[in-house]
Amino acid sequence: GENVEQHPSTLSVQEGDSAVIKCTYSDSASNYFPWYKQELGKRPQLIIDIRSNVGEKKDQRIAVTLNKTAKHFSLHITETQPEDSAVYFCAASKTSGSRLTFGEGTQLTVNP
Amino acid sequence: ETGVTQSPTHLIKTRGQQVTLRCSSQSGHNTVSWYQQALGQGPQFIFQYYREEENGRGNFPPRFSGLQFPNYSSELNVNALELDDSALYLCATPTSGGPHNEQFFGPGTRLTVL
Repeated sequence: GENVEQHPSTLSVQEGDSAVIKCTYSDSASNYFPWYKQELGKRPQLIIDIRSNVGEKKDQRIAVTLNKTAKHFSLHITETQPEDSAVYFCAASKTSGSRLTFGEGTQLTVNP
Repeated sequence: ETGVTQSPTHLIKTRGQQVTLRCSSQSGHNTVSWYQQALGQGPQFIFQYYREEENGRGNFPPRFSGLQFPNYSSELNVNALELDDSALYLCATPTSGGPHNEQFFGPGTRLTVL
């Protein structure tokens, strides 16, 4: 089955700096890659996603890149703000089903 | 908000007991997935229901079972509870009936097994 690895497990940055979180996946049939943000005690919230026919996608301060050949994808957050502090999860799935395989998460802390 | 609701929000059980968790979606989508999220880990896929039939299952034992009703609300049942079943249980539904896989989560049920 699919295996998703996520690095780093913790990331601390200064406000205004950029943050990058990286994930690798094992199943070449996976073609949908969402990112979720989870604040303490709350549900995971979808913040951005990318499909395998696209190499990069941006939404304001957030961008995701995908390298299908290397089977890795990354989340980039620019101009970080304290409210970006949360746990971020990457995930992968196939179009034929909606089962998501998640990474172990990255605790991002943005220091004011 | 996602329009996905779950009940109860918190639950405390003892080992060996049985529990039923519930999920409903305002959109009444015909697909629902359940995930278990242990403390400090990513969500793990339990199973998915599509039009009231199980449609895929993760690496969970048979004591984890589910139902989906004609109104597309759903239940997760866990029998013979074990301490390791303590976790946040999340249900998720897509936003539309198309082939895309955006999953939107409910707020979860926090289960504690003593």
